Amino acid sequence: NAGVTQTPKFQVLKTGQSMTLQCAQDMNHEYMSWYRQDPGMGLRLIHYSVGAGITDQGEVPNGYNVSRSTTEDFPLRLLSAAPSQTSVYFCASSYSVLGTTEAFFGQGTRLTVV
Amino acid sequence: RKEVEQDPGPFNVPEGATVAFNCTYSNSASQSFFWYRQDCRKEPKLLMSVYSSGNEDGRFTAQLNRASQYISLLIRDSKLSDSATYLCVVNGYPNSGGYQKVTFGTGTKLQVIP
Repeated sequence: NAGVTQTPKFQVLKTGQSMTLQCAQDMNHEYMSWYRQDPGMGLRLIHYSVGAGITDQGEVPNGYNVSRSTTEDFPLRLLSAAPSQTSVYFCASSYSVLGTTEAFFGQGTRLTVV
Repeated sequence: RKEVEQDPGPFNVPEGATVAFNCTYSNSASQSFFWYRQDCRKEPKLLMSVYSSGNEDGRFTAQLNRASQYISLLIRDSKLSDSATYLCVVNGYPNSGGYQKVTFGTGTKLQVIP
């Protein structure tokens, strides 16, 4: 039981490049989400999904796209990387869509945009 | 006012000391509360849920004060291994889609000194 698996762990991008951060969970959780963590800002929600085929925007969605074709996978796409997107990104999943149960996080992706 | 506020610290305490952190929240309709622990350069992990009547897990005690809108975490007999950042998490009232907005505090850093 791997939990939440995120890849890659580290990435350096040039401004304007695009990339996809992968996230997969094997706990059959309906709810998945992407956060970014910046110093002094805490974890901020980018996008979330309450089930396959259903996604919605979080607090800071601009510059990011998501899709949820299966229960297991929830990739995050950076469309045209900007230095402001330099951050640590975490994928999370939880059993309840109501936010009342534990969230399990992936190990994070440290992204630097130069 | 921020939705969830924490003192960033750092709190530097000697081994064996008792230390307490508070976390205030602005949404009086918030329903679920948690404390997460995040080690340096790692993902957040659930430490404990916070129940209305207060709850204890070994050396850790969590309390909720709805009237004053804060939650607290008390750590007794601090260990070196308790050194980490402690994040408070508050889940709000469900939106029209049934999703409760999850808000993370920026975290309080604890350093336990030998």
